[in-house]
Amino acid sequence: QLQLQESGPGLVKPSETLSLTCTVSGGSISSSSYYWGWIRQPPGKGLEWIGSIYYSGSTYYNPSLKSRVTISVDTSKNQFSLKLSSVTAADTAVYYCASVDGDYVAFDIWGQGTMVTVSS
Amino acid sequence: QSALTQPPSVSGSPGQSVTISCTGTSSDVGSYNRVSWYQQPPGTAPKLMIYEVSNRPSGVPDRFSGSKSGNTASLTISGLQAEDEADYYCSSYTSSSTFVFGGGTKLTVL
Repeated sequence: QLQLQESGPGLVKPSETLSLTCTVSGGSISSSSYYWGWIRQPPGKGLEWIGSIYYSGSTYYNPSLKSRVTISVDTSKNQFSLKLSSVTAADTAVYYCASVDGDYVAFDIWGQGTMVTVSS
Repeated sequence: QSALTQPPSVSGSPGQSVTISCTGTSSDVGSYNRVSWYQQPPGTAPKLMIYEVSNRPSGVPDRFSGSKSGNTASLTISGLQAEDEADYYCSSYTSSSTFVFGGGTKLTVL
């Protein structure tokens, strides 16, 4: 059974770059059965899809964040990562990584989430 | 892309049924059967409850069912139980190969 775990700084300064890593266990990140995504949830608000990366390396991003987002995969570490540049207080949120089942295209396994606060 | 539209809240008594709607457009909900639903109790990560409009992952009670008509998908929970109290989110794959979530619906079991 796949398990995902987010890691990274809990506090980021405004204008800097937020960097998070998701470690995948119980399966290979190179599997064609899955692809990988990042979702965030500001305090007291709903879920927002940030982007996804396929096993081929193709990436798709939320148009509202596209200019600031980069998602990449490190197959040697079985991890995928999120970078969000030029952050502001509006980027304060719980960030989740998730696997997307390639057949039924739904976020089937989620990490526990990590809170990131943007503040000086 | 705009968020899918869900009612902010619904409520029901134990044993009753409730339905949560999720309205999108012809570019997302209306175009694909890639609609999924997630349950999120307070302080926890979302959990997949329904995929491809109406399919339940292993372990999800059959009290949870999904459907779709045109640009609107629906989640119905029958035989409400206290443990069903949570926030519920719909999501759809889109024609741009992206995903979009609904704004979320808070279910209160009276």
